[in-house]
Amino acid sequence: NAGVTQTPKFQVLKTGQSMTLQCAQDMNHNSMYWYRQDPGMGLRLIYYSASEGTTDKGEVPNGYNVSRLNKREFSLRLESAAPSQTSVYFCASSRQGLYEQYFGPGTRLTVT
Amino acid sequence: EDKVVQSPLSLVVHEGDTVTLNCSYEVTNFRSLLWYKQEKKAPTFLFMLTSSGIEKKSGRLSSILDKKELFSILNITATQTGDSAVYLCAVEATGGTSYGKLTFGQGTILTVHP
Repeated sequence: NAGVTQTPKFQVLKTGQSMTLQCAQDMNHNSMYWYRQDPGMGLRLIYYSASEGTTDKGEVPNGYNVSRLNKREFSLRLESAAPSQTSVYFCASSRQGLYEQYFGPGTRLTVT
Repeated sequence: EDKVVQSPLSLVVHEGDTVTLNCSYEVTNFRSLLWYKQEKKAPTFLFMLTSSGIEKKSGRLSSILDKKELFSILNITATQTGDSAVYLCAVEATGGTSYGKLTFGQGTILTVHP
């Protein structure tokens, strides 16, 4: 099992460009999440999907959109990138109920 | 607003020392508290705590939760250089649309010198 995979690993964008971060899990988990991690701020939840067909905002959703394409895949889109979105982005997944979240390896995004 | 605060923010010790990391929280509708270890890349799961006073152990690591005082500690005994990492505490809330949402603390950077 690959667990949670993310593409790309690194990306540099110019202000105003758009891009989609991809995430897939092969653990048959119902719930999936997108976080961003900035120095000194821990991880902050951007969006999550409790189950296939549903998505909901987290703590810092502004400037992002998500799509739960199917049970395996959950993508994060930046429509018009801004320097404030420079961060490391982690995708995670979990079973529903009292279960831990498993994290992907992260995408390091720089917006100039 | 849910809040998780970890202390200390950073800690430098020598191999063989014992360390205690702290996590306090203010969360509506508490469900569980989780500890993760983060080295270069993705956080990896250590413990999930849901009940007060029950210690969870894994090798040299142990953790306990106090739901009355709203905090948890993570202990690492006989530290090794491989324990050097960022230790993250997260609290899960439930109810309404909060299902499964984790609020993370800032993390404690632990450095273990040989």
